[in-house]
Amino acid sequence: GESVGLHLPTLSVQEGDNSIINCAYSNSASDYFIWYKQESGKGPQFIIDIRSNMDKRQGQRVTVLLNKTVKHLSLQIAATQPGDSAVYFCAENSGGSNYKLTFGKGTLLTVNP
Amino acid sequence: GAGVSQSPRYKVAKRGQDVALRCDPISGHVSLFWYQQALGQGPEFLTYFQNEAQLDKSGLPSDRFFAERPEGSVSTLKIQRTQQEDSAVYLCASSLVPGGAYEQYFGPGTRLTVT
Repeated sequence: GESVGLHLPTLSVQEGDNSIINCAYSNSASDYFIWYKQESGKGPQFIIDIRSNMDKRQGQRVTVLLNKTVKHLSLQIAATQPGDSAVYFCAENSGGSNYKLTFGKGTLLTVNP
Repeated sequence: GAGVSQSPRYKVAKRGQDVALRCDPISGHVSLFWYQQALGQGPEFLTYFQNEAQLDKSGLPSDRFFAERPEGSVSTLKIQRTQQEDSAVYLCASSLVPGGAYEQYFGPGTRLTVT
């Protein structure tokens, strides 16, 4: 859901479960999307990206799905581990520049052992 | 080190003081970005350098914010006459290629608290 002020959307899962983190993006002209993981006290870390000419891309334990019709992006993490606990951000590269990223509000993922 | 480094990691400033935040990008990276991240929010773009040229400063909140990268490597973000609303984490990122929206490597950030 939407976050208000300091309250991030949160997702709590059990270790070994699959996690799905969702993101709605704003600009229909965006053609490149990235998922970042941010642990406490650290900068965002690249996880996986996808271009607008694709609807699915898989990495190691992660899959990104893109639905351009409804401007929705999701990150699926298989067999979630305690080390996956972090805030996850989606970012979009809007048309008009080839470098500027617009980040979403983030989702806090907590993995319970 | 192999990653982007930033210093100081934490900075406390009294309102009205000037601060300077340093970023050491990955060696050889052409593109350098500064972002501001408020508590509980995603990073917001401040400015972009390609080598020593500042190609975009559209995200700088006011003329109290100034960034430079004089030799195309280390960059400094300076904030003059700090205000409480400047309190945030300031992130630096670098990318190997010009205009690299992809593969931006982020530093750990500098947490600025203005009292």
